[in-house]
Amino acid sequence: NAGVTQTPKFQVLKTGQSMTLQCAQDMNHNSMYWYRQDPGMGLRLIYYSASEGTTDKGEVPNGYNVSRLNKREFSLRLESAAPSQTSVYFCASSEVRAVETQYFGPGTRLLVL
Amino acid sequence: KNEVEQSPQNLTAQEGEFITINCSYSVGISALHWLQQHPGGGIVSLFMLSSGKKKHGRLIATINIQEKHSSLHITASHPRDSAVYICAVRGRGNEKLTFGTGTRLTIIP
Repeated sequence: NAGVTQTPKFQVLKTGQSMTLQCAQDMNHNSMYWYRQDPGMGLRLIYYSASEGTTDKGEVPNGYNVSRLNKREFSLRLESAAPSQTSVYFCASSEVRAVETQYFGPGTRLLVL
Repeated sequence: KNEVEQSPQNLTAQEGEFITINCSYSVGISALHWLQQHPGGGIVSLFMLSSGKKKHGRLIATINIQEKHSSLHITASHPRDSAVYICAVRGRGNEKLTFGTGTRLTIIP
């Protein structure tokens, strides 16, 4: 099992460009999450999906959209990237909500110039 | 004030020392998680606990619900334990985690 995979690993964008971060899990988990990690701050939840077909905003959703394409895949889209979105993005999944152990992907490092 | 506070922020110790990392939180919780972030960036869940104590190898996690405090202990520390240790809590009736800023641990051979 690959666990949670993310693509790409690293990306450089210019301000105003768009991109989609991909995430997939092969553990048949119901819940999936997108976090961002910035220096000096804890991981912050952007969006989450409690089950296929549902998505909810987290702590910092502005500037992002998500799609739960199916049970395996949860993508994060930046429609018009801004320098403030420079960060490391982590996808995670768990069996049922946050009461269970979360399994994290390797992260995507995004630089917006 | 952050909901989750960790101390110390940075900790350097000699190989073999007993390590304690602390986590305090300000809200009622249903579960607390300890995670490890490797130097390469990967994040791994170590423990999830809602009461008492859990042990896995050289790692021990304890929680005191009344005092809103948890500790992560590492016995016989080793350079490979060098990482950032992150505490996260799940509030009651809330399916999301709130994370601390982490404790950077460096073990010197």
